[in-house]
Amino acid sequence: GAGVSQSPSNKVTEKGKDVELRCDPISGHTALYWYRQSLGQGLEFLIYFQGNSAPDKSGLPSDRFSAERTGGSVSTLTIQRTQQEDSAVYLCASSLVGNTEAFFGQGTRLTVV
Amino acid sequence: DAKTTQPPSMDCAEGRAANLPCNHSTISGNEYVYWYRQIHSQGPQYIIHGLKNNETNEMASLIITEDRKSSTLILPHATLRDTAVYYCIVRPRTLQGGSEKLVFGKGTKLTVNP
Repeated sequence: GAGVSQSPSNKVTEKGKDVELRCDPISGHTALYWYRQSLGQGLEFLIYFQGNSAPDKSGLPSDRFSAERTGGSVSTLTIQRTQQEDSAVYLCASSLVGNTEAFFGQGTRLTVV
Repeated sequence: DAKTTQPPSMDCAEGRAANLPCNHSTISGNEYVYWYRQIHSQGPQYIIHGLKNNETNEMASLIITEDRKSSTLILPHATLRDTAVYYCIVRPRTLQGGSEKLVFGKGTKLTVNP
């Protein structure tokens, strides 16, 4: 596709379950970012990938959160033992190397019940 | 932490220019000024960025003061669809030309009124 694709668009899960969120960046974009946005709040940085490596993981809120990227393309954000405070929209963005604009996907709305 | 200061909200009449200010008094020489906007329930959308010269594209103009401590995003003819939260972000350029994270503050909620 032409843009950043995220799946699923919506996910409802029970507290304590694990979830996986997927991001397909724009083809050829080597930089990939994950953010989350709680209801009515600003965007919170989670992790940044350059290729398959993650030089900046400073935003991951706890060790229940992890992310990987394979083949320099698709990335998966995994949340283990979900809690209600994990409920948010999780946004992915990608960009070319260098100071170019980042393109965001439409996000995955995660609801933990 | 965000390194920018923006008014929390602004109003503009449809068809008029919207001028959104941003203060970034601690900006360093290798940092760019970026503007994004987020329309309700959508992902953020890139608008424009600049280093020290004024920039213009099909969406907006960016005016950066000579001392680079502040900037203004100008939407020349605002429409109702421009109602959104507008984020001003300073972003460093790495020595290797790699991408650094965008740190979003609270932004300015612009409401365009008919």
